[in-house]
Amino acid sequence: IAGITQAPTSQILAAGRRMTLRCTQDMRHNAMYWYRQDLGLGLRLIHYSNTAGTTGKGEVPDGYSVSRANTDDFPLTLASAVPSQTSVYFCASSPSGTGAYGYTFGSGTRLTVV
Amino acid sequence: EDQVTQSPEALRLQEGESSSLNCSYTVSGLRGLFWYRQDPGKGPEFLFTLYSAGEEKEKERLKATLTKKESFLHITAPKPEDSATYLCAVPTMEYGNKLVFGAGTILRVKS
Repeated sequence: IAGITQAPTSQILAAGRRMTLRCTQDMRHNAMYWYRQDLGLGLRLIHYSNTAGTTGKGEVPDGYSVSRANTDDFPLTLASAVPSQTSVYFCASSPSGTGAYGYTFGSGTRLTVV
Repeated sequence: EDQVTQSPEALRLQEGESSSLNCSYTVSGLRGLFWYRQDPGKGPEFLFTLYSAGEEKEKERLKATLTKKESFLHITAPKPEDSATYLCAVPTMEYGNKLVFGAGTILRVKS
């Protein structure tokens, strides 16, 4: 089934540890995104990539890094996790980054930092 | 700063009781407005895109409309399976035309 695969589905992480959230899409979409979703705040953009080899910062990029080595994969890394990074993380993709297309979302990774 | 505000935060309806959800936005030049449905524990699922004031889109019991300042998601004769969180979003120049989302409206339809 075409779509986005995120892993892991959930994780409990000790503060200070490094963690990479994985995201893979099989739709050959050029643009990919990472959002975090928190109660009352909705979805907030962390980082994005308009095409392989390029990335950009969103609304809440601090403490996170991304890479886009190829079209299909867009991992999100927390270098040193803090409790405020407890959230549900969604990866998404779209045919282009122009804003003209709806996004396809993955099922999310629920991360708890303790 | 581009903003999207949704109301109400939560809405409880009886099965068959029609209502509307509101999405108001302030953006510098609207390039589209997107509606999504999100079920608990899942990612948002795309519903509609509206591009210009006066445009309407329909899907089953849902109809989305757009004015120059807001969008409405009308739900006609809802069923329990329509229970979900409904999100709206607009592209923002601030982050390279990426979508900025409202906080959502949680809809519960009781039988």
